[in-house]
Amino acid sequence: DTQMTQSPSSLSASVGDRVTITCRASQSISSYLNWYQQKPGKAPQLLIYAASSLQSGVSSRFSGSGSGTDFTLTISSLQPEDFATYYCQQSYSTPRTFGQGTKVEIK
Amino acid sequence: QLQLQESGPGLVKPSETLSLTCTVSAGSISSSSYYWGWIRQPPGKGLEWIGSIYYSGSTYYNPSLKSRVTLSVDTSKNQFSLKLSFVTAADTAVYYCARHLRTVKLEHFDPWGQGTLVTVSS
Repeated sequence: DTQMTQSPSSLSASVGDRVTITCRASQSISSYLNWYQQKPGKAPQLLIYAASSLQSGVSSRFSGSGSGTDFTLTISSLQPEDFATYYCQQSYSTPRTFGQGTKVEIK
Repeated sequence: QLQLQESGPGLVKPSETLSLTCTVSAGSISSSSYYWGWIRQPPGKGLEWIGSIYYSGSTYYNPSLKSRVTLSVDTSKNQFSLKLSFVTAADTAVYYCARHLRTVKLEHFDPWGQGTLVTVSS
């Protein structure tokens, strides 16, 4: 299986902060990397697909980059509605696997 | 806007079979390039992909669950279903269904159903 490791597991930040979350794959996955946001009690929602493409309807303050094994999700200016858990997911190999999640909390 | 809704028992006894159905609305389950997937999330934990099915019935599964999982599709009802046999407490989770775009260059899960909690307990 391709293991996905996110860092940090959690972080505290203030509104307006720039936040970066990293995701590392245990083997090269090209650009087959997606990012999801999950709020408490809700289903995950797709933010970024193919490592850097913004899903329709998602705020442009979210951006993604990377290829191969190292990827980042950046929130340019954290807003109150962005406090949530973020997951990366690889779609290169079977089984499809997710990172363990990064919880973004209010500082 | 495409919507998915999971349904099924919220409580299953150990060693029995968990059965869930996902109903797709405002869109056709027979669309090309789209598989239909199941993902689960144990309470307080991360996400695990279970498997996905195409409208033709073609399937692919997570090898760790493959021996216990059966996916099926009913295009006449715009539904797809999950059966997980011989469940244990470790199968207690929120189960999500999702549309699974799968092309040569793109693949992702979107949108997702709201999820349904299934508890395995006697």
